[in-house]
Amino acid sequence: NAGVTQTPKFQVLKTGQSMTLQCAQDMNHNSMYWYRQDPGMGLRLIYYSASEGTTDKGEVPNGYNVSRLNKREFSLRLESAAPSQTSVYFCASSEAQSYEQYFGPGTRLTVT
Amino acid sequence: QKEVEQNSGPLSVPEGAIASLNCTYSDRGSQSFFWYRQYSGKSPELIMSIYSNGDKEDGRFTAQLNKASQYVSLLIRDSQPSDSATYLCAVNWWTNAGKSTFGDGTTLTVKP
Repeated sequence: NAGVTQTPKFQVLKTGQSMTLQCAQDMNHNSMYWYRQDPGMGLRLIYYSASEGTTDKGEVPNGYNVSRLNKREFSLRLESAAPSQTSVYFCASSEAQSYEQYFGPGTRLTVT
Repeated sequence: QKEVEQNSGPLSVPEGAIASLNCTYSDRGSQSFFWYRQYSGKSPELIMSIYSNGDKEDGRFTAQLNKASQYVSLLIRDSQPSDSATYLCAVNWWTNAGKSTFGDGTTLTVKP
């Protein structure tokens, strides 16, 4: 049981480049989330998906797009990376009733 | 004023002592409350969830919820050096039931 997996673990981009962060969960959860965490700060929600085919903006959605490909997978895309997007990105999933979230290991992204 | 506030710390306690972590939140029809632990460089992991007023105990951890005073706390009894981490408080509101709002976290250090 892998839980929540994320790829890649580390990534360095130049300003203006694009990339997609991948996330998958094997817990049969309906809800999935993308967060960013900057140094010394808590988690800020980028996008949320309550179920396959639905997505909703979070607190900091600008500069990002998401795709809920199926129940297992939720990807985050940066179309034109900016230095302000340097951060650690976490994917999470939860059951619809409890809202207890389970996190992936994170992706450390640096944009130069 | 932030919707979820925590003392940033750092909080330092001797080994074997009780560590008390506090979280206050704005009144928006709160529903669910969570404590997550995050070791340095790692992803958050769920410690406790609490949904109704009162205390909830799980091993050395006790979560306390007081909706009238709008606070939730986490007590760690017999603190161990392995408890040294950042503790994140999260709140779900009825209006955004699927989304958690996180505090910035309190860093706890347990000294041997």
